[in-house]
Amino acid sequence: QVQLQESGPGLVKPSETLSLTCAVSGGSVSSGTYFWSWIRQPPGQGLEWVGHFSYTGSTNYNPSLKSRASISLDTSKNQFSLKLNSISAADTAVYYCARGGTTTRDYWGQGTLVTVSS
Amino acid sequence: QSVLTQPPSASGTPGQRVTISCSGSTSNIGRTAVNWYQQLPGAAPKLLIYRNDRRPSGVPDRFSGSKSGTSASLAISGLQSEDAADYYCAAWDDSLNGPIWVFGGGTKLTVL
Repeated sequence: QVQLQESGPGLVKPSETLSLTCAVSGGSVSSGTYFWSWIRQPPGQGLEWVGHFSYTGSTNYNPSLKSRASISLDTSKNQFSLKLNSISAADTAVYYCARGGTTTRDYWGQGTLVTVSS
Repeated sequence: QSVLTQPPSASGTPGQRVTISCSGSTSNIGRTAVNWYQQLPGAAPKLLIYRNDRRPSGVPDRFSGSKSGTSASLAISGLQSEDAADYYCAAWDDSLNGPIWVFGGGTKLTVL
């Protein structure tokens, strides 16, 4: 059974860079045809795809983030990471990491709340 | 605005059958499979249906999914009080830069 676990600071100051990591167990980030994804959910709102690192080696991001996001894969640690720069209060959300796929079921982490405040 | 369209709310009484719709386009639902998630308050989304109509192990067969053209539906039969939750549909969308994951705005299900 694939399991994902997010980690990172719960509080980040405005204009700083948010860094989150997703540790993967029960499967390898370097195998399969998956999209190693980040999804976020602002308080009281719906789900928003942030971006992913594809099995092809490419990345894709939500255009609404205006090039502030960066996702990388660390095969040696079997994890992937999200960096979001120039953050503001609008980036306050629960951030979920997930293993997505167009033809397979997906797996999600439990989520981590990130609050942007000075 | 969400790429996929869901009704904001739905309701039913215990034992009833309720359906939640999800409307998309030819670039997403019309081309790829649909997933459905249940989110209880304070919890992470739980996968209920994947690939339009498949249930992960442990999901009761009261939950079923279907897809036709650019729309999909989630049906819950024998409604129970613990089914009160937010439900989201999702699909992959063909963008110029490759597939992107799109979601519906969510439907809040109330069990009366």
